[in-house]
Amino acid sequence: DSGVTQTPKHLITATGQRVTLRCSPRSGDLSVYWYQQSLDQGLQFLIQYYNGEERAKGNILERFSAQQFPDLHSELNLSSLELGDSALYFCASSVAQQITNEQFFGPGTRLTVL
Amino acid sequence: GESVGLHLPTLSVQEGDNSIINCAYSNSASDYFIWYKQESGKGPQFIIDIRSNMDKRQGQRVTVLLNKTVKHLSLQIAATQPGDSAVYFCAENSGGSNYKLTFGKGTLLTVNP
Repeated sequence: DSGVTQTPKHLITATGQRVTLRCSPRSGDLSVYWYQQSLDQGLQFLIQYYNGEERAKGNILERFSAQQFPDLHSELNLSSLELGDSALYFCASSVAQQITNEQFFGPGTRLTVL
Repeated sequence: GESVGLHLPTLSVQEGDNSIINCAYSNSASDYFIWYKQESGKGPQFIIDIRSNMDKRQGQRVTVLLNKTVKHLSLQIAATQPGDSAVYFCAENSGGSNYKLTFGKGTLLTVNP
């Protein structure tokens, strides 16, 4: 158990819908990262937040957004869902914002768009 | 468990043997590299990292080798155990102090008892 929690574990929805994925980082970690893992694209970095502020952006679509709240939990919002958005979405956390800080991954949310 | 990928390179070894997993990275400017392990149904787990000013780094039962000339990274696992069975990813950071991590597709390691 990494100490990072993600909810829900599974999510099934329809195209065009909007969903919110939630992540609670390890106690004491200020940095949260979101990743997408699909069969064809592999693991891709989406976005990083540090202490409530956006720190780095990766391959995140404009239909996707995220935020980190004062209690440090984070939410990833996916809107206008398409079939191709079906994937595993992982959250990770680390103590600080540097790339060299070890990241601890949560168990993931499996999103299925029908 | 859940599949993390199809058509992955695979490596099958006998328990107790040493395993070598290879990775070719793409950006010659990458200055930091990480190996992750992902077991079926779980998130990736950090194994070991190495900076570009090093050629070799050792951990517990694992060694990472970096060859910048040919942009090649390898992970050596000594005395491989059934619990080592997983998908192994390399990742490279090409953003310097900024976060720009790119992941490889992964290699599926199967350890036969």
